[in-house]
Amino acid sequence: EVQLVESGGGLVQPGRSLRLSCAASGFTFDDYAMHWVRQAPGKGLEWVSGISWNSGSIGYADSVKGRFTISRDNAKNSLYLQMNSLRAEDTALYYCAKDLYSGYDSGVGDYWGQGTLVTVSS
Amino acid sequence: SYELTQPLSVSVALGQTARITCGGNNIGSKNVHWYQQKPGQAPVLVIYRDSNRPSGIPERFSGSNSGNTATLTISRAQAGDEADYYCQVWDSSSVVFGGGTKLTVL
Repeated sequence: EVQLVESGGGLVQPGRSLRLSCAASGFTFDDYAMHWVRQAPGKGLEWVSGISWNSGSIGYADSVKGRFTISRDNAKNSLYLQMNSLRAEDTALYYCAKDLYSGYDSGVGDYWGQGTLVTVSS
Repeated sequence: SYELTQPLSVSVALGQTARITCGGNNIGSKNVHWYQQKPGQAPVLVIYRDSNRPSGIPERFSGSNSGNTATLTISRAQAGDEADYYCQVWDSSSVVFGGGTKLTVL
């Protein structure tokens, strides 16, 4: 059974940093691309970042480019999102999603975690 | 940047057919994917690459894509189909989601 478990969310002040993690199990992690997708309270889905199976291709939404960094450790079956210079508008539930393919250039999330909540407030 | 337009809400009578549209410039040339999200739950992929159903998704869910409109069709709508539905494409090195449609089953 595919499982994706996010962690690392919490309350953080504007301008500070936070690192999210996603622990994957139930599939061959290094065969697939992975994504972070967020959802602000009461709002729709917003793609944040994606990474190919071997970290060779990485992409970011314009809203986080230069502030967020995605990475993965295939030996640990884990996905990460380093978030710096956080803003109030980054407040959201952050989902980790497995891609249907090895490259991230489709964004098809066939499995999703339950999310970790990030709240940016002073 | 590429934009996807969905109706805010769609209503359907129990047992009837619901159609949720997703509009975009020449969207027919792109692969469209659809997600279902129930309150308090993570999104679930229901259609990928326009018309393909992942395993476990009922045949009642189908998709089409042509011209400037992609459509998710839910036949014989059930109370359990009430949810938000999002379309999604890949464009210019970015994943783009539609704004979402709330489906109400009457």
